[in-house]
Amino acid sequence: NAGVTQTPKFQVLKTGQSMTLQCAQDMNHEYMSWYRQDPGMGLRLIHYSVGAGITDQGEVPNGYNVSRSTTEDFPLRLLSAAPSQTSVYFCASSGPLSGETQYFGPGTRLLVL
Amino acid sequence: GQSLEQPSEVTAVEGAIVQINCTYQTSGFYGLSWYQQHDGGAPTFLSYNALDGLEETGRFSSFLSRSDSYGYLLLQELQMKDSASYFCAVRDEAGGYNKLIFGAGTRLAVHP
Repeated sequence: NAGVTQTPKFQVLKTGQSMTLQCAQDMNHEYMSWYRQDPGMGLRLIHYSVGAGITDQGEVPNGYNVSRSTTEDFPLRLLSAAPSQTSVYFCASSGPLSGETQYFGPGTRLLVL
Repeated sequence: GQSLEQPSEVTAVEGAIVQINCTYQTSGFYGLSWYQQHDGGAPTFLSYNALDGLEETGRFSSFLSRSDSYGYLLLQELQMKDSASYFCAVRDEAGGYNKLIFGAGTRLAVHP
């Protein structure tokens, strides 16, 4: 199993550009989440999903959209990038059989100029 | 809402024991999780406590006191590779199973 994969690893955007961060998992997990991590602020939940077709907002959802058309994929869309969205983005997944464990992807480092 | 507090930094020497504390405020409580993150890496799950008491996993142990809204991670026989950031996390009752809220993290530096 590849676990949780994220693409791209690095991305530089200009203010106002849009892009999609990809996340996929091959563990048949129902639950998937997106977090952003800024220095000294830990991980903050952006959006999450409890299954295909079901998504909800986390702590910091503004400026981001998500959709969950399949169990495997959970893309995060930045609608109009802003410098405040410069961060490291992590995708995570979990399921009933993984207990309390959330499995994280390797992260995407995003710089918005 | 939820809030978690943990020290920002802890320093220790190889072979020593270190305790990282976490206090939390939540509208509902399911349990306290701990994650480890090395610089440039992704968080990895360490432990979970739903009930009061100590859970031991090798050199790492985690403790929970629900009445005190307090928990800690205990790292024994410290090794250089334990230098990392450690996060406590709780689940948000309103969001259910998957809405995990993290503390700001404790950076542990292990010295020879």
